[in-house]
Parts: sequence; structure tokens; C-alpha cells
Amino acid sequence: RKEVEQDPGPFNVPEGATVAFNCTYSNSASQSFFWYRQDCRKEPKLLMSVYSSGNEDGRFTAQLNRASQYISLLIRDSKLSDSATYLCVVNRMDSSYKLIFGSGTRLLVRP
Amino acid sequence: NAGVTQTPKFQVLKTGQSMTLQCAQDMNHNSMYWYRQDPGMGLRLIYYSASEGTTDKGEVPNGYNVSRLNKREFSLRLESAAPSQTSVYFCASSEGGAHPPREPQHFGDGTRLSIL
Repeated sequence: RKEVEQDPGPFNVPEGATVAFNCTYSNSASQSFFWYRQDCRKEPKLLMSVYSSGNEDGRFTAQLNRASQYISLLIRDSKLSDSATYLCVVNRMDSSYKLIFGSGTRLLVRP
Repeated sequence: NAGVTQTPKFQVLKTGQSMTLQCAQDMNHNSMYWYRQDPGMGLRLIYYSASEGTTDKGEVPNGYNVSRLNKREFSLRLESAAPSQTSVYFCASSEGGAHPPREPQHFGDGTRLSIL
């Protein structure tokens, strides 16, 4: 089983739609969680950190469910510019400095 | 505002050749990382340096060596390139020092390496 699992997609949605991605992680002791965005052939860029109480940044909402070991990303009012791959990232508890990246979920927003 | 700078951006090598990928950050970060990304797979950690003067193996260190030259620079060397090392290589940095890591990593724009 992969340490971090994501549905690869693609999720194909119209502009203005609401779309949600889930990501499951295997290490129950993981404490740091992030969502990164990666455009085609570009470097990953931090979208948002995920806090225990959940957090929102504009159209983006991240949630953490420790009991079920998953994190989610909700995107409201999708824009064409949201088309990208979204990477779920979780820390590994055998080291202070290692993060584990999921393979990513691809989102395509159509006009 | 450069952030993390990687050179070169593209490189083609023949099997058996050696080369060094360079990475420098100007954010005064303590920790630096080298990843590779292959199609359909997540980023995999090759080596990391928690702080200046230290380096440690990641998930896929075989065939690579690293040098943390100073706080700013962290290089990755392929001693004898193999076709299996064809990949996109990303360098990243973070403030470091937190356990567990709470701060995000900042990435360079990658080196696309092809080995024939």
C-alpha cells in the first residue's frame, strides 16, 4: 500500500463547478499535511497547508479527518486556471524532514 | 526574488557519463532536498540535507551523491549515468528545524535529464 494515495483522475468539470479531491495516508502518526499544485512540466507550488480544524483560502477549503486518515481539498466556482495536478503531501514520522508526495489528481476545467 | 535556482534546465547524457546538477537558494533556509519525478509517480526523495554540513539518504539514493557546499548550495551528482535515471529532478528547500516539519518546501523549476 502506498503511503499517500490519490485518485489520479482526471476530473473534468465545467467552469463554475465545485469539485473535491480526497487523499488517504497510511501513517496514523503523521502530523503535517499540505496540498501542492503542479502545472504541466512545472515545479510543485504550495497551495495550502491543512490544519486540524480545517482551513479556507478563498475558493479553496482543506479538511483533515484523522480518524479515517484522509485529507480533502474542495474547490468552489472552478476557473479555467485551476486546471492542474493537485498533490497531497504528508510528513513521514521516521524523520523530521521528509515529506511524502502523492502521485497527484489531475483537474481539467472546461469552458 | 529568485527563491530556488537549478541549473541546468535541460541535459542529455550518454550512458556512463557523469554530471552534477546545481541548486542554490537565497531564502536562508536550513534544509534542502533533491527529488526525482517520473510519469505516474509522486516525487521521490533522493537525498536531503537537514542543515549545513549534514546529508542523508532518501528513498532512492542509489546511483547518486550529494554535496552540501554551504548553506545556500546543494548539488546532486550522477557518477555513471544510466537510462533509468532519465527523469525530472527538483531541488527544494525549507526553513527546517521543526519536528515534525510544519513548514512547506519551496521548489526550483526542475532539471529535465535524458540519458541515452
